[in-house]
Amino acid sequence: GAVVSQHPSRVICKSGTSVKIECRSLDFQATTMFWYRQFPKQSLMLMATSNEGSKATYEQGVEKDKFLINHASLTLSTLTVTSAHPEDSSFYICSARARRGENTGELFFGEGSRLTVL
Amino acid sequence: LAKTTQPISMDSYEGQEVNITCSHNNIATNDYITWYQQFPSQGPRFIIQGYKTKVTNEVASLFIPADRKSSTLSLPRVSLSDTAVYYCLVGDMQAGTALIFGKGTTLSVSS
Repeated sequence: GAVVSQHPSRVICKSGTSVKIECRSLDFQATTMFWYRQFPKQSLMLMATSNEGSKATYEQGVEKDKFLINHASLTLSTLTVTSAHPEDSSFYICSARARRGENTGELFFGEGSRLTVL
Repeated sequence: LAKTTQPISMDSYEGQEVNITCSHNNIATNDYITWYQQFPSQGPRFIIQGYKTKVTNEVASLFIPADRKSSTLSLPRVSLSDTAVYYCLVGDMQAGTALIFGKGTTLSVSS
């Protein structure tokens, strides 16, 4: 089946630094990717929709200048947490939908990236 | 996007059949129903998807009544490794449509 891969799976950084998380669709092209955030014992919360070749669409309450999203190709989207602070510590998960005509539009999820900001 | 309601938690024993029901009263005509399983510190994993009636795969069955306002995920003969959070999601299959997660159902399987 289709696979979405994230890197890194775990990252620890100091407060004030920036962290980049990559999301790749390994065996299909993804015109759209989605970024979610999940805090302990909570459900996944949609942060933004990443569209290849255009600006991302952010959900209400998500700061676009803090969470920079780039979707430069049909297989790669990146999420950069800028000037990270301890409250940004969370589990970040990306997902991708195949283009129409492939894989029935099923939404595939990455393994997640655990960010810890000290 | 259709909102879903599931029981917060369920308990079961190994070998039993588990049925988790999800309500989605305002499901739209183009919406599909998809169930995901999530283990701690992992991304959600696809279990099954359906539009109407019954769908069965190697791990689960999905029952959808004619009005599509609810759905039931059936896990036959659960094992300890089925302990996880199960999410019911409703949405269309368009490329730009995200799936919005509800609170999910935490299933605990005991021996």
